[in-house]
Amino acid sequence: KNEVEQSPQNLTAQEGEFITINCSYSVGISALHWLQQHPGGGIVSLFMLSSGKKKHGRLIATINIQEKHSSLHITASHPRDSAVYICAANFGNEKLTFGTGTRLTIIP
Amino acid sequence: DTAVSQTPKYLVTQMGNDKSIKCEQNLGHDTMYWYKQDSKKFLKIMFSYNNKELIINETVPNRFSPKSPDKAHLNLHINSLELGDSAVYFCASSQDLDTRFFGSGTRLTVV
Repeated sequence: KNEVEQSPQNLTAQEGEFITINCSYSVGISALHWLQQHPGGGIVSLFMLSSGKKKHGRLIATINIQEKHSSLHITASHPRDSAVYICAANFGNEKLTFGTGTRLTIIP
Repeated sequence: DTAVSQTPKYLVTQMGNDKSIKCEQNLGHDTMYWYKQDSKKFLKIMFSYNNKELIINETVPNRFSPKSPDKAHLNLHINSLELGDSAVYFCASSQDLDTRFFGSGTRLTVV
């Protein structure tokens, strides 16, 4: 069964802290996506990766294919990073299976 | 210039009505999607079209009918709206299995 699990569900941290959000999936995937949903509801695609590591500004996404695990890291977190972060997996077709999301709150 | 635009942003309607949500992408992508986000914020695929052809049709009531007049448009028509249809509907597009670009969402409230 194609499943995606995220942790933690909620995360509150102080400004400047290093943030890690985890995503595990059940079977082999062709790609994993990290999405950000703003408090206003809009969704932005952050990363799509199938191996290794990608970096964009203060955001880093890694994936370990053998362990079926991906992490999203935020360095020097800022209140504007407060959002829901969602991982989603492509299990070999166009369909994305979504995790339940991690609500991140960064306190000034 | 908005890459994926959907209209309307908000839609409030009575049970039993028929309504449509429109989606257009100007990215030249081959594939478009409709997703539903429920009250618990869980996203789920509904439909996917590639070059105007239906390729994914999840377990969605027949009252939901997607229409793709060309590969830049994927509209969602809903017949006989029910209270449980209240949700946020997101349109998205991608080239092959690449990065998804999402619309800003349509909040549908059925009263």
